[in-house]
Amino acid sequence: EDQVTQSPEALRLQEGESSSLNCSYTVSGLRGLFWYRQDPGKGPEFLFTLYSAGEEKEKERLKATLTKKESFLHITAPKPEDSATYLCAVGGFQKLVFGTGTRLLVSP
Amino acid sequence: DAGVIQSPRHEVTEMGQEVTLRCKPISGHNSLFWYRQTMMRGLELLIYFNNNVPIDDSGMPEDRFSAKMPNASFSTLKIQPSEPRDSAVYFCASSPPGTFTYNEQFFGPGTRLTVL
Repeated sequence: EDQVTQSPEALRLQEGESSSLNCSYTVSGLRGLFWYRQDPGKGPEFLFTLYSAGEEKEKERLKATLTKKESFLHITAPKPEDSATYLCAVGGFQKLVFGTGTRLLVSP
Repeated sequence: DAGVIQSPRHEVTEMGQEVTLRCKPISGHNSLFWYRQTMMRGLELLIYFNNNVPIDDSGMPEDRFSAKMPNASFSTLKIQPSEPRDSAVYFCASSPPGTFTYNEQFFGPGTRLTVL
């Protein structure tokens, strides 16, 4: 059974304090690993897709990396507007399975 | 581009009543997904359609739930009869042509359902 585990469940950072979010997964035949951002009261917003181990993608202060067992979302010098829940999802042969997310709060 | 449109945004109903949630996907997208999100279980895929055809409904919790996609621009998720444990936020998402697990999905704003 495809599974996704995200850690930590919640993370509080000071503005400018860099950190990483973890997404561990088991899947039968990885077709893609996705990162989404979700703001309160809104639907998830697509950030990145990673397809193979070793791949990296960047967008502003965010950088996503992928290994055969996990993915990291690195946040460099975060700002308060980066506060949100970050969701990881893995696409296997049949379905897209989401993790329960990491709630990030960045304080000024 | 208007994005994925869902209605209503909020629904409060009493146990036993029928509830119908509606979704209009992004024009040109041929895959449509219904999800349910709760604090305990996170985001769960209920059903997805490809070219208006239901492909996998194994996530539908029970026979009280049904979904239809009569055309490329409209889908409904119906719960009959509704129960308090159905209370959740229901999201609709669509994705462009291609194997869906390769394509990013575009989510609507969700419908917050409360069953009393």
